[in-house]
Amino acid sequence: SQQGEEDPQALSIQEGENATMNCSYKTSINNLQWYRQNSGRGLVHLILIRSNEREKHSGRLRVTLDTSKKSSSLLITASRAADTASYFCGETSGSRLTFGEGTQLTVNP
Amino acid sequence: KAGVTQTPRYLIKTRGQQVTLSCSPISGHRSVSWYQQTPGQGLQFLFEYFSETQRNKGNFPGRFSGRQFSNSRSEMNVSTLELGDSALYLCASSSRTGRDSPLHFGNGTRLTVT
Repeated sequence: SQQGEEDPQALSIQEGENATMNCSYKTSINNLQWYRQNSGRGLVHLILIRSNEREKHSGRLRVTLDTSKKSSSLLITASRAADTASYFCGETSGSRLTFGEGTQLTVNP
Repeated sequence: KAGVTQTPRYLIKTRGQQVTLSCSPISGHRSVSWYQQTPGQGLQFLFEYFSETQRNKGNFPGRFSGRQFSNSRSEMNVSTLELGDSALYLCASSSRTGRDSPLHFGNGTRLTVT
């Protein structure tokens, strides 16, 4: 069974808008990772945030982590049509990486 | 560097048959993990190998097995296929075990069981 849950399950926005996806997890984590998956392809690693970090940036991506609430969020700023994909958070507990159900993001041109 | 390569890309099998999927990790990566992805169950961890040893195993029946060779290439085998085994099987490699390094995924093998 999945450990974490992403919210929302689906998100549709216009190009140029910001997209925020949330992830909740249940265990004590070593780190949390965000991945993107284009339809029918493998996952691509976006950002890894460690349990002692609160915020991390990479280009247009911003990830926050709140260990007291066991939650993380991924913000994509100034979205583009090419950002259309499924986004997954993966929680690392011990040596296993467990994924949530994902958020399907659609960016309309 | 070449990415993670999975073969074959597509596979159609009949119930009761067995199947072997192959994964070549990024050069220098010694950890290989396998995941099953289905619309209903999402991404489910199958197992992880590091230096030819299974380090972790998910909650799958014994019909699912794997191995890793000395060159880090990995195979997974599913015996006595069931309709529910239809899925995208993803392989991922990383430079070390433990999940402190990101996973690099292949594009998967789409298995259809009829």
